[in-house]
Parts: sequence; structure tokens; C-alpha cells
Amino acid sequence: DVKVTQSSRYLVKRTGEKVFLECVQDMDHENMFWYRQDPGLGLRLIYFSYDVKMKEKGDIPEGYSVSREKKERFSLILESASTNQTSMYLCASSSPGSPPNTGELFFGEGSRLTVL
Amino acid sequence: AQSVTQLGSHVSVSEGALVLLRCNYSSSVPPYLFWYVQYPNQGLQLLLKYTSAATLVKGINDFEAEFKKSETSFHLTKPSAHMSDAAEYFCAVGSGYSTLTFGKGTMLLVSP
Repeated sequence: DVKVTQSSRYLVKRTGEKVFLECVQDMDHENMFWYRQDPGLGLRLIYFSYDVKMKEKGDIPEGYSVSREKKERFSLILESASTNQTSMYLCASSSPGSPPNTGELFFGEGSRLTVL
Repeated sequence: AQSVTQLGSHVSVSEGALVLLRCNYSSSVPPYLFWYVQYPNQGLQLLLKYTSAATLVKGINDFEAEFKKSETSFHLTKPSAHMSDAAEYFCAVGSGYSTLTFGKGTMLLVSP
């Protein structure tokens, strides 16, 4: 069964802390994505990656960075967490599809981050 | 540029009633359209997708959606709601050369 695994379901951090959210997929997908989900705002794309060592900014990259050192792993980093980054974070992966970006997205179960 | 509008943040139906969730899109190129569902405390999973083949698309759990270019719509329907259909539903648009843009979601509430 295909799987996207996010390392933590629930995290509580303090303002100014550095936060790492880890995501691992076992489907050998080239594409990986980090979304933020907030009530009434839907899903907003933070960063994505089409290949190892590659990253692209999404719609709301400010305050975030990412790392993709291995194909199966995509990490989201909050360098200095702030209260407005309290949210649900969803990782997803997909194969490229033909044409690109038409492949099904497979999502993890989400990481709910609270910043105090 | 592309965008998605989902009409109604919440839709309530009775068990056995027709489900209709509305989605309108905007895209400057031929779109690819998707419906995803999110059950409580889970990630999203694909219900169905339109990629320029048949305009009526059938998905899992008896859901279907019809692509209407003239109306720029991709509404999701199910003939008879089940309690297990209670979830949040997201419409998304892509163009093949851009990442998906998701709507804000519609919460489906099913009452006995």
C-alpha cells in the first residue's frame, strides 16, 4: 500500500524555536510538496520539489525553508517559529504524470503544529 | 493564472438525498480538474479527476463529476448520501505545467 508518512502528528513549540517537519514517501515519486491547511483558506502551497536537491517556492514560502537530500524525504523547516505559523501541515507526493502535474497527489495524515 | 471557487463552505443533506458540491474554475489553458476528500484527522485522497477525456468522470464511492467548459464548472454529485460521506471536499485545478490550485473546501454534513 502506498504511503506518505509525516514524522509527527502533533507538535507544540514556543515562539522562536526551530521546527523540523519530516516527510517520507515509499512510492519512488519524483515530486514532493508541502501544504499548509487553515480553516476557510483551503490548502496553500509552501514549497515543492521535482527532484533531489531541487526546490521551488510555492504561494506562501515566507518564514519556511525545505530540504530534499534524498528522493524519498522532504523536510519543512521553520527557522524561527511564530504564532501565525500555527496550522496543519500536509505533505504530498506524486509521480510526474503526463503532462506534468497531472499525477495523483498522495497525502500524509498531516502534522498539527501549535506555536505558543 | 488559475483559480477555483467552491460555492458553500458547508452543505447539509439527509442520508439518502442527492449530494451536489459546486466547483467553478478559471484557467487560461485547458484545465485538469480534481476532487479530493478529507475525512476527519486524515490527509486528502483522490476522488476523481478530469484530464480531457470523457466529460463525465466517475470516481470512488459512487461520486461523479461533469466537466462543463461553457460554464467553467466541475460539480461533484452522488445520487444517495451515506453517513460515511461526511467529510471535507476540495476541488483543485491544474494546467499540466503548474502546480495544483485548491479551493477552500466544502464540508459535507450528513444527517440521519
